[in-house]
Amino acid sequence: QVQLQESGPGLVKPSQTLSLICSVSGDSISSGDYYWSWIRQIPGKGLEWIGYSYFSGGSLFNPSLRSRVTTSVDTSKNQFSLRLTSVTAADTAVYYCVRGTPIVATIAYFDSWGQGTQVTVSS
Amino acid sequence: QSALTQPASVSGSPGQSITISCIGTSSDVAIYDLVSWYQHHPGMAPKLLIFQVSKRPSGVSNRFSGSKSGNTASLTISGLQAEDEAEYYCCSYAGSDMFYVFGTGTKVTVL
Repeated sequence: QVQLQESGPGLVKPSQTLSLICSVSGDSISSGDYYWSWIRQIPGKGLEWIGYSYFSGGSLFNPSLRSRVTTSVDTSKNQFSLRLTSVTAADTAVYYCVRGTPIVATIAYFDSWGQGTQVTVSS
Repeated sequence: QSALTQPASVSGSPGQSITISCIGTSSDVAIYDLVSWYQHHPGMAPKLLIFQVSKRPSGVSNRFSGSKSGNTASLTISGLQAEDEAEYYCCSYAGSDMFYVFGTGTKVTVL
């Protein structure tokens, strides 16, 4: 059974870069069977898809965040990561790393989630 | 990015059935059969309940069922149990402009 675990700083200063890592166990990112995603939940709001990475390095991002987001995959460590630049208080959220099951080159559903990590943007 | 619209809360007594609606648009729910539903207990990882409108992953109780009509998807929980008390979210693919949109979330309370 696949397990995902987020790690990274819980506090980031405004204008700085948010960096998170997701460690995957029970599945190999390099299998190429899934898309590895980031989703966040902003307080008082619903869920927001941030983007995904593929094992080969391909990626896709939410248009509203595209200018500030990068993701990467480290198959040797079976990890994938998220970087969000120029953060503001509006980026305060619980961030989830998630495995997405594809269908015809898009994600059909998100089948496995990490427990989430709280990131607060504050000086 | 417009979220899918869900009722803020739904409640029911043990054993009853409840239905949660998820209202989208002609750009997402109405044209793609890529609607999924997730159950989220606080502090835990969200759990996939339904995918591709009405399919259940192995291990998910058959008390959970999904359907779609036009731009509205629905999740029905039958035989409501105390453990079903949680937040529920729908999600739909929304094409290559917006990709994936989630619902606003519904808090289910078991009376």
